[in-house]
Amino acid sequence: DGGITQSPKYLFRKEGQNVTLSCEQNLNHDAMYWYRQDPGQGLRLIYYSQIVNDFQKGDIAEGYSVSREKKESFPLTVTSAQKNPTAFYLCASSTGPRSSYEQYFGPGTRLTVT
Amino acid sequence: AQSVAQPEDQVNVAEGNPLTVKCTYSVSGNPYLFWYVQYPNRGLQFLLKYITGDNLVKGSYGFEAEFNKSQTSFHLKKPSALVSDSALYFCAVRAVSNSGYALNFGKGTSLLVTP
Repeated sequence: DGGITQSPKYLFRKEGQNVTLSCEQNLNHDAMYWYRQDPGQGLRLIYYSQIVNDFQKGDIAEGYSVSREKKESFPLTVTSAQKNPTAFYLCASSTGPRSSYEQYFGPGTRLTVT
Repeated sequence: AQSVAQPEDQVNVAEGNPLTVKCTYSVSGNPYLFWYVQYPNRGLQFLLKYITGDNLVKGSYGFEAEFNKSQTSFHLKKPSALVSDSALYFCAVRAVSNSGYALNFGKGTSLLVTP
């Protein structure tokens, strides 16, 4: 997991509350990503950012928001509009052509909303 | 468009036997291909990648993968499985011609190695 930190490891929230998941990297990578993982569904891309102050929606962006104010940080907010937020969330980073787009992952945050 | 398929949800193998985890891909043009492993409640760890060159790629922990362009496959292999290899394995692809950085991941294959 080296170089990418996600906090906290476990997070519990009440339904209707927004919650922000932290992701920090010290790898000097340009690009960062957020994935959601549910049992039997693999990884689904929520948002990604290839440069500071710019980001793009992934396959399941509805109910989520992100910011990329610093190269090292890419926080994800799970809003109350997300209908089924309980999941395991993974953050990743990568360079581009220099490393053939290989992604490095953080340890994940397990979010439980009741 | 780019996508991968992992046709097996689970693979069972006895310790010491060879293992294969299958992956097929679909891209326009040439691919970059990756294998990752995930242990319970952890992030994904990189195992190996195919960019160009030799079709047989060697990676971490004794794993290797064979790129087959005609069959659009990139199967993960290991000559002798260990119980500690039991984990979730993901294949991923990116088209070389794609301007974006994102990879497409398969749904994962759970590998169970029994003593």
